[in-house]
Amino acid sequence: DIQMTQSPSSLPASLGERVTISCRASQGISNNLNWYQQKPDGTIKPLIYYTSNLQSGVPSRFSGSGSGTDYSLTISSLEPEDFAMYYCQQDASFPRTFGGGTKLELK
Amino acid sequence: EVQLQQSGAELGKPGTSVKLSCKVSGYNIRNTYMHWVNQRPGKGLEWIGRIDPANGNTIYAEKFKSKATLTADTSSNTAYMQLSQLKSDDTAIYFCAMDWEEPFAYWGQGTLVTVSS
Repeated sequence: DIQMTQSPSSLPASLGERVTISCRASQGISNNLNWYQQKPDGTIKPLIYYTSNLQSGVPSRFSGSGSGTDYSLTISSLEPEDFAMYYCQQDASFPRTFGGGTKLELK
Repeated sequence: EVQLQQSGAELGKPGTSVKLSCKVSGYNIRNTYMHWVNQRPGKGLEWIGRIDPANGNTIYAEKFKSKATLTADTSSNTAYMQLSQLKSDDTAIYFCAMDWEEPFAYWGQGTLVTVSS
């Protein structure tokens, strides 16, 4: 199985700040990397697919990049609704696996 | 608009089974894959498996092969997951998700399964 390691697990940040969350795969995943946001009420929202493609309706302050084993999610200027959990996920092979999550919290 | 509506919370006794549903509106599930994911209390997301509703073909994560059974009813546009031999460790929120043009493009709201005697 491909292991996905996210960092940091917790990220205190301020409104308007630029933040980056990292995700490392245990082997190359050929850009088959997706990002999801989970709100405190449990709702899961897809953000980015195939490394850098925004899902419909996702604000342009979200962006993704990476290749090989290393990927990242960047939020250019934090808005109040961005404070949530974030998960990366690989869909290069089965079983699909998720990172452990990053909790983006208000500093 | 595509929506995934999951069934309500379940309370199951140890050793019994529960069957969760995920009804899709706005898209024909014959044309896509349906996934199930769980989230244990205070933990992250874990992929359980995927079904192709058009032919019933399934793929499971190894640890769920004897725990979960995925089925789908294309006439009602609904995916199902049965969890068997419930243990306290199965207490979790279970999500269904649907591929569209993108993987895992749509998610249900989740179903809480609580295992307790």
